Amino acid sequence: SQQGEEDPQALSIQEGENATMNCSYKTSINNLQWYRQNSGRGLVHLILIRSNEREKHSGRLRVTLDTSKKSSSLLITASRAADTASYFCATAMEYGNKLVFGAGTILRVKS
Amino acid sequence: DAGITQSPRHKVTETGTPVTLRCHQTENHRYMYWYRQDPGHGLRLIHYSYGVKDTDKGEVSDGYSVSRSKTEDFLLTLESATSSQTSVYFCAISEQGGLITEAFFGQGTRLTVV
Repeated sequence: SQQGEEDPQALSIQEGENATMNCSYKTSINNLQWYRQNSGRGLVHLILIRSNEREKHSGRLRVTLDTSKKSSSLLITASRAADTASYFCATAMEYGNKLVFGAGTILRVKS
Repeated sequence: DAGITQSPRHKVTETGTPVTLRCHQTENHRYMYWYRQDPGHGLRLIHYSYGVKDTDKGEVSDGYSVSRSKTEDFLLTLESATSSQTSVYFCAISEQGGLITEAFFGQGTRLTVV
């Protein structure tokens, strides 16, 4: 089964609103990463948060990590139509070199 | 963009035939990964490599083999293609594995097995 599970599976919002996506995982991790995938394209790395960090910002992105609950959230503020994409969380295990992805959240931003 | 090239980008093949997908990188990154992407499953790791001739299995490795004879090339072979292997395949590279740094992805190969 997947290590990471995103919630919700799909999200539709108006331009300018904030979008929040959640990710839960099962085992201890070294870090958690978020990626974006535009339709028909490869994945693009957005942000990485290490297991000893609780919050990280990058432009309009804010990521939180709660290792006690084994969960993370990605907040996109002031969303734009160009943010329409699928978003995936990926966990790097505490030991090993694998990067394991969840099923993703499809975000649609309506203009 | 990271220098990753997947070939072919699209392929239609018949059930039972062997198929090889190629991933070529120009970044000299140590780690290379093959994932498959299917609706509702996200990306699932097939195999990965942590150096020349060093590979390991992922979560969905049955029916697939890999080889890495040079740093820059990572080949994925479907030994005898089945319809369940119809998917989009992504190659990714990482300098130090998932432990420390992000992965960079290729554009994907859409494989259809008929």
